Amino acid sequence: QKEVEQDPGPLSVPEGAIVSLNCTYSNSAFQYFMWYRQYSRKGPELLMYTYSSGNKEDGRFTAQVDKSSKYISLFIRDSQPSDSATYLCAMNNNAGNMLTFGGGTRLMVKP
Amino acid sequence: NAGVTQTPKFQVLKTGQSMTLQCAQDMNHEYMSWYRQDPGMGLRLIHYSVGAGITDQGEVPNGYNVSRSTTEDFPLRLLSAAPSQTSVYFCASSYSARSSYNSPLHFGNGTRLTVT
Repeated sequence: QKEVEQDPGPLSVPEGAIVSLNCTYSNSAFQYFMWYRQYSRKGPELLMYTYSSGNKEDGRFTAQVDKSSKYISLFIRDSQPSDSATYLCAMNNNAGNMLTFGGGTRLMVKP
Repeated sequence: NAGVTQTPKFQVLKTGQSMTLQCAQDMNHEYMSWYRQDPGMGLRLIHYSVGAGITDQGEVPNGYNVSRSTTEDFPLRLLSAAPSQTSVYFCASSYSARSSYNSPLHFGNGTRLTVT
């Protein structure tokens, strides 16, 4: 079993929809949680970063962590075609940069 | 600033051949790393370096070598290519290895390698 599980999709939604992307994990030591966005043929880029449980909001994006359920989510409000990408969750048990990644969820937002 | 530059963008190798994937960054980053990305598997860490002259193994190091003679460059060597090494390889760097918040990973755009 992989340490971090993510539904690969693709997830197809109409423009303006609210999108929910999720990851589950098995290692209870994970404390730092990130979401990366990866456009086709490009490298990932950091989108959101959260520590421990709770919510963090940045514009149209909200990251949510539930450590008791070992479940993290990324919500995108008013989704745009430019949000079409693969979203990767990543996490680790210290503040450093050796990360464990999920497999990614491919999102398609249709005009 | 160019950021993280990877060359080549594409490569096809025959089984048993060797090659070096190049990675260079112009941000004076202390930390550099190599990942491979396979469908459904996410990014898996191959090797990393916390500074010139210092390297260490990640999750999947077998079949790969690295060196870090300068701050800027971190080449990845495939010693004897195998079909299982068909993948997309990403180099990533950050200012510090100690904080993923204050110094997030910056990724290159990848090298797509096929081994036949």
